[in-house]
Amino acid sequence: NAGVMQNPRHLVRRRGQEARLRCSPMKGHSHVYWYRQLPEEGLKFMVYLQKENIIDESGMPKERFSAEFPKEGPSILRIQQVVRGDSAAYFCASSPRGGFYGYTFGSGTRLTVV
Amino acid sequence: GENVEQHPSTLSVQEGDSAVIKCTYSDSASNYFPWYKQELGKRPQLIIDIRSNVGEKKDQRIAVTLNKTAKHFSLHITETQPEDSAVYFCAASIDYGGSQGNLIFGKGTKLSVKP
Repeated sequence: NAGVMQNPRHLVRRRGQEARLRCSPMKGHSHVYWYRQLPEEGLKFMVYLQKENIIDESGMPKERFSAEFPKEGPSILRIQQVVRGDSAAYFCASSPRGGFYGYTFGSGTRLTVV
Repeated sequence: GENVEQHPSTLSVQEGDSAVIKCTYSDSASNYFPWYKQELGKRPQLIIDIRSNVGEKKDQRIAVTLNKTAKHFSLHITETQPEDSAVYFCAASIDYGGSQGNLIFGKGTKLSVKP
């Protein structure tokens, strides 16, 4: 089992560009979560998805951010018109049955906006 | 919504001593409490978890206790070793029959174990 796969590991974008972060959950996991971690800070919940459904997006900024988890393929976190404040590590986690059974995190994507 | 407070933010101990990290949560409906360890530049990894029907759980040098009445839970690491140095996060979630439960994390405790 390859675990939760995130790519790219590092992403550099200029202000105003779009960033696309990908997450492939562990085999058999149908729940995907995205978290953002700023330097020296904790993990902030952004969005919780199941296949083709957004279950909870209460932690995601209303503008410029979107997420999807299509029937086929990885989950995508998209940030449009990036700003310097978007620079952070973005972690994806997957779970077989929701948070009650614990997450497995991916290695994260470190986004730097220049 | 749920809010998780974690203390202390930094903790320095001598190798061989014990380390204790404490968390409180706000939503009395929370019933699952995992702890994660994150080494510098790496992913958070689950080290131990506890559910609300249990008061204490041990795994070798690591133990977690839960007080549902007071809404707090703690991580205890005994006989600390330099490789225990990392940031530790507590979290809480609510299981609505297995289909919900995004984890809400504390802000983390940076543990340094001095040789």
